[in-house]
Amino acid sequence: GAGVSQSPRYKVTKRGQDVTLRCDPISSHATLYWYQQALGQGPEFLTYFNYEAQPDKSGLPSDRFSAERPEGSISTLTIQRTEQRDSAMYRCASSGLVQETQYFGPGTRLLVL
Amino acid sequence: KNQVEQSPQSLIILEGKNCTLQCNYTVSPFSNLRWYKQDTGRGPVSLTIMTFSENTKSNGRYTATLDADTKQSSLHITASQLSDSASYICVVSAWDNYGQNFVFGPGTRLSVLP
Repeated sequence: GAGVSQSPRYKVTKRGQDVTLRCDPISSHATLYWYQQALGQGPEFLTYFNYEAQPDKSGLPSDRFSAERPEGSISTLTIQRTEQRDSAMYRCASSGLVQETQYFGPGTRLLVL
Repeated sequence: KNQVEQSPQSLIILEGKNCTLQCNYTVSPFSNLRWYKQDTGRGPVSLTIMTFSENTKSNGRYTATLDADTKQSSLHITASQLSDSASYICVVSAWDNYGQNFVFGPGTRLSVLP
C-alpha cells in the first residue's frame, strides 16, 4: 500500500477483555515495529519483526502482550486480560531494512475502562 | 514537508574518544525531539527527550543539545566505549490531524573500535 495502515483507529474495551490490533506495513518493507505511546509521551519500543522473525521483544511490558507476523507482512499485537494501565496509543512503523528510516501508521488509541 | 536529516551517515572512532552527531529538522509545529540508540538486532531505546524550551539534556556520557531557532540538535558522546557502537536516530515530533506524529531521521551508524 501507499503507507502504513492500522486498525481499528479507536478501541474501547472493558478491563479483562482481550484486544487485537492490526498493522499493515508498506508492502516492500521487511521490518515492522510496534510502539506504545502514553498520552503526551514519545513512542516506547515494544517489539519488532524482520520478515516473520521476531529478533527483539524486550519492550513488551508483560506476558499479556504478544505480537505475530506469520507471513512476514501484516502483523497483529494482542493484549490479553487488558488492564487500565494498558490505555495508550499503539503505533506501528515499517522500514525497508532494520535501522533504515521508519514510517509510522496513524496508530490505534486503546482505552481500557 | 516534515523532514529530519542526520549527519554523518556513518562514523568510526577509537575507544575513549569523543564524538558529536548532528540532526537538522524541518518539522512543524515542533513538539519535542528525541535521540534513540539502536543496537544491532535490537529495537530503538530512548536516550534523551527535549522540548522547545530546553537546550541541553544529559544522560550519562550522552549530552543532547537543541537549538530551536536554527532547528538543529546534536548528540555528544564522551569517552566512547565499545558498547556505544550502534545507530543513533533523531526523532522529531509534531502535531497533525491524528495527534502527535513522529518523524524519524535516517540515523548515524557509529562504530567504536578498540
